[in-house]
Parts: sequence; structure tokens; C-alpha cells
Amino acid sequence: EIVMKQSPATLSVSPGERATLSCRASQSVNSNLAWYQQRPGQAPRLVIYGASTRANGIPARFSGSGSGTEFTLTISSLQSEDFAVYYCQQYNNLPPWTFGQGTKVEIK
Amino acid sequence: QVQLQESGPGLVTPSGTLSLTCAVSGASISSYNWWSWVRQSPGQGLEWIGEIYHSGNSNYNPSLKSRVSISVDKSKNQFSLKLRSVTAADTAVYFCARGSGSYEDWGQGTLVTVSS
Repeated sequence: EIVMKQSPATLSVSPGERATLSCRASQSVNSNLAWYQQRPGQAPRLVIYGASTRANGIPARFSGSGSGTEFTLTISSLQSEDFAVYYCQQYNNLPPWTFGQGTKVEIK
Repeated sequence: QVQLQESGPGLVTPSGTLSLTCAVSGASISSYNWWSWVRQSPGQGLEWIGEIYHSGNSNYNPSLKSRVSISVDKSKNQFSLKLRSVTAADTAVYFCARGSGSYEDWGQGTLVTVSS
């Protein structure tokens, strides 16, 4: 099973600033990596798939990069609605698909 | 856009069977290949449970494989989850989702508590 590790656990950022979230895989997942946003009491929302492709309706301030074992989600200018928990997930080759433990983006 | 809605008992007794259904609307279940279940324990992260192809092939999380089954009912445009021999550790919000590996459409989730 591929283990996904996210850092930091919590990121304190002021509105308008940039947020950079990291995700590391225990072995290569190529570009088969998704990012989700989850607000309290809601289902996760797909933000990025294929490591760098924005999902439908996702603003351009969200960008994803990386391949292999190291990935980054960048939010260029944080808006109030962006404060949430973000999860990465790998879906390379064969199941089980695995998630990271999440990064909480909170208001500084 | 595809809508998904989970339903089922919110309380299951220990050693019993958790049974949930995910109703799909806005599209035929045969229009997309894979349908999945994901769960989230209170205050915790996300755990992939398993997935089913619309024709019936399925994949399961090895940690749950001995206790879980997922089925599809095309006539009702829905798919279902059964988890046997549950314990308190199975208390979670259960989500159904469309896809395999990355999920664009999710149900709202349903909380299932395992308790006597």
C-alpha cells in the first residue's frame, strides 16, 4: 500500500497571501494524484486531478504541480472560502487508493 | 451533473451488518464506469473502502476486504455497501462517489454509529 504524507498538518495564512501545501508518496504514483478541499460538515470537493489539472469550476488561483513522489498544491491568494482541510490522494496503477492525513488551512 | 444520495440506518449494533445505498440521479449508472465508497471517522481523515464497475467487478481495501461487499442495481440506478461484523471503529461518515481514484461527484455523506 502506498502511504501518502502531507505537510504541514496546519498552515496559518492571512487572506490574500499564498499557501503552499505538500504531499509525498512512499513510492512513485506518476501523475496520478488528486487534491480535495473539505469544509466542515461537507463532502470533499475535487480541486486538482492528474497532479496539475483543475477540476470543473475550480478558480485559477489553485494550481497543482509535481510528479513521482513529491507534489504541491498552491493557492495563490487565499480567499475566505479557501480556509478548509485539503487532502491528497493517489490513484496509481492498482487499488487500494490512499489519502494523506490532510492539511488544515486556517486564518492567521 | 450527477447527484448521489446515501441512505441507510444511522445506528448499527456491534457485530451487526452496516448496509447503505447510494441512489444516483442525473445520469444512468451505466453511463460511468466506476462507483465508490469512502468513509471518514469522526475528526479523522478519509479512507477508501472500495469500488464497483457498473458491470459488477469490484475492488476493496485490503484492510476491510474480508468484511465488505459492494453491489450495483442497474434497475434502481443505485449501488450498495455492506460491511459485516462491525465494531465501534467502523463509526464514520460514509460517502458514495462517482469514479475510480479521483472523484468529481460525491454524496453528502451519512453518519453511521456503531453502538449498542
